[in-house]
Amino acid sequence: QVQLQESGPGLVKPSETLSLTCTVSGGSISSYYWGWIRQSPGKGLECIGYISDSGSTNYNPSLQSRVTISVDTSKNQFSLKLSSVTAADTALYYCSRVLRAGNTGYWFDPWGQGTLVTVSS
Amino acid sequence: SYELTQPPSVSVSPGQTASITCSGDKLGNKYACWYQQKPGQSPVLVIYQDNNRPSGIPERFSGSNSGNTATLTIRGTQAVDEADYYCQAWDSSTVVFGGGTKLTVL
Repeated sequence: QVQLQESGPGLVKPSETLSLTCTVSGGSISSYYWGWIRQSPGKGLECIGYISDSGSTNYNPSLQSRVTISVDTSKNQFSLKLSSVTAADTALYYCSRVLRAGNTGYWFDPWGQGTLVTVSS
Repeated sequence: SYELTQPPSVSVSPGQTASITCSGDKLGNKYACWYQQKPGQSPVLVIYQDNNRPSGIPERFSGSNSGNTATLTIRGTQAVDEADYYCQAWDSSTVVFGGGTKLTVL
């Protein structure tokens, strides 16, 4: 079955750019949408955004000005970049496959194990 | 922006039925799904498209969605079901999560 694994630096300095990659194994990245979700310590879930296999994106309006999600089908990977980070961006970052019911419902399954990113100088 | 509201906590006795609600404006007109998250683990999808169970999810998990409220029901609740549960919907191209409900089995 499909498995996802996040990778990237666990510590990022304030004002710099957070960069994470999600590697998809057990299946092709093509024909699906893929997403990033984060969870601040002790808090709930927040969708950062998602991308189609063709590269079309949709971002959380509250993060849109700082977020870029891209896909590399040749490597079966997709990536997240979040610029100008602050301590408020410290969170557990998950990648996931997006499943859809046309344009009426989207859900995430499965999820990666998550990677903790701390923003600190 | 669209919001989903869940009770912070729900308690249930083992073997009884637990119901966790998720409220949002005209939520019944959208598809709702539910995730289970145990401490230190990633969320797991337990219900999608209001009332469908992914393979591997026990039959005791079910869902409904009507009006302004979606409900996750766990019949014959077991200790292993103690976890945080999050509802999620999709509105105007935006994914929205509820704040989560901590289910305690005691």
